[in-house]
Amino acid sequence: DVKVTQSSRYLVKRTGEKVFLECVQDMDHENMFWYRQDPGLGLRLIYFSYDVKMKEKGDIPEGYSVSREKKERFSLILESASTNQTSMYLCASSLSQSSYEQYFGPGTRLTVT
Amino acid sequence: SQQGEEDPQALSIQEGENATMNCSYKTSINNLQWYRQNSGRGLVHLILIRSNEREKHSGRLRVTLDTSKKSSSLLITASRAADTASYFCATDHRYDYKLSFGAGTTVTVRA
Repeated sequence: DVKVTQSSRYLVKRTGEKVFLECVQDMDHENMFWYRQDPGLGLRLIYFSYDVKMKEKGDIPEGYSVSREKKERFSLILESASTNQTSMYLCASSLSQSSYEQYFGPGTRLTVT
Repeated sequence: SQQGEEDPQALSIQEGENATMNCSYKTSINNLQWYRQNSGRGLVHLILIRSNEREKHSGRLRVTLDTSKKSSSLLITASRAADTASYFCATDHRYDYKLSFGAGTTVTVRA
């Protein structure tokens, strides 16, 4: 079974702090994704990566950056956390560019106070 | 951008009944998928239907796709308490493996 893990289930940070969310997948998937999920809005894509050191902006990249130094690990960085970044963050991976099924981690519920 | 819209937003049914939810989308798609999310957890892939398919089954799940109406439906037969979850449709486009998700349908199965 594909396993996608995220570093924290719950996180509380203060406004202005730098926040790192980590995601690791163990099935040698090429593609990795970061979403945020808010009530009534569904999942919105923040950033994705189709290869090591490659990244592409999703629909809502403002205020976020990402890093993919190793194939199995994809990090989301909030450079200066703000209260409107309080959300559920979901990481996902998929096998390759011709594979559309995504495997999700359990999510990190981030609260910025 | 949000492509799919699920209907209804919420659904409450008795155990053993069938649950039907719909997804409409705006632009032509390559595939449409359905995912389930249990409370506060990640999403789990349920089923994928390609744009040239009209119906697909997986266990108690039946998915239909009508590309002329840009809509899909998910039917869960003989529902169980464990089916209580939110259900999301997700679409992708040819040569673009990013997914666009709808806002989801919350299903509650009463014992």
